[in-house]
Amino acid sequence: GAVVSQHPSWVICKSGTSVKIECRSLDFQATTMFWYRQFPKQSLMLMATSNEGSKATYEQGVEKDKFLINHASLTLSTLTVTSAHPEDSSFYICSANGQGAIGTEAFFGQGTRLTVV
Amino acid sequence: DAKTTQPPSMDCAEGRAANLPCNHSTISGNEYVYWYRQIHSQGPQYIIHGLKNNETNEMASLIITEDRKSSTLILPHATLRDTAVYYCIVRGNFGNEKLTFGTGTRL
Repeated sequence: GAVVSQHPSWVICKSGTSVKIECRSLDFQATTMFWYRQFPKQSLMLMATSNEGSKATYEQGVEKDKFLINHASLTLSTLTVTSAHPEDSSFYICSANGQGAIGTEAFFGQGTRLTVV
Repeated sequence: DAKTTQPPSMDCAEGRAANLPCNHSTISGNEYVYWYRQIHSQGPQYIIHGLKNNETNEMASLIITEDRKSSTLILPHATLRDTAVYYCIVRGNFGNEKLTFGTGTRL
């Protein structure tokens, strides 16, 4: 089946630094990718929709200047957490919807656990 | 907001069928019912989806009521590896539609 890969799987950073998370669709092209955040014992919350070649669409309450999204190609979207603080510590997950023969369901990356110290 | 409601948790004996219910009384005519599961500290995994007919694949069966206001995911022979949070989601099927997760059922 289709594969979405996230990198890194986990990262620890100091307060005030920035962290970049990559999301790649390995065997299909994705014009749209989605970024979610999940706190412990909670469900996934959609942060933003990443559109190839255009600006991302952010959900209400998500700071676009803090969570920078770039979707420069049909197989790569990046999420940069700028000036990270401990409250940004969370599990970040990306997904991409399939197209055509592979089906239209969403394929998820394995997630990135961010810890800000 | 999620358009589905699920029980927060369920138990199932290993080897028995696990039947996970989901209510989606406000589902629109063009919306599908999707099921995903999330094993601890991993990304969600697709299980199955359907519009109005019952569906079966190698992982599970999906039973959708005739009025489409509820559905049941059936894992025919549950094992310890099926321990996860199961999410029922309604979504259009036009390719770029987002998924809105509810609280899911912890099996």
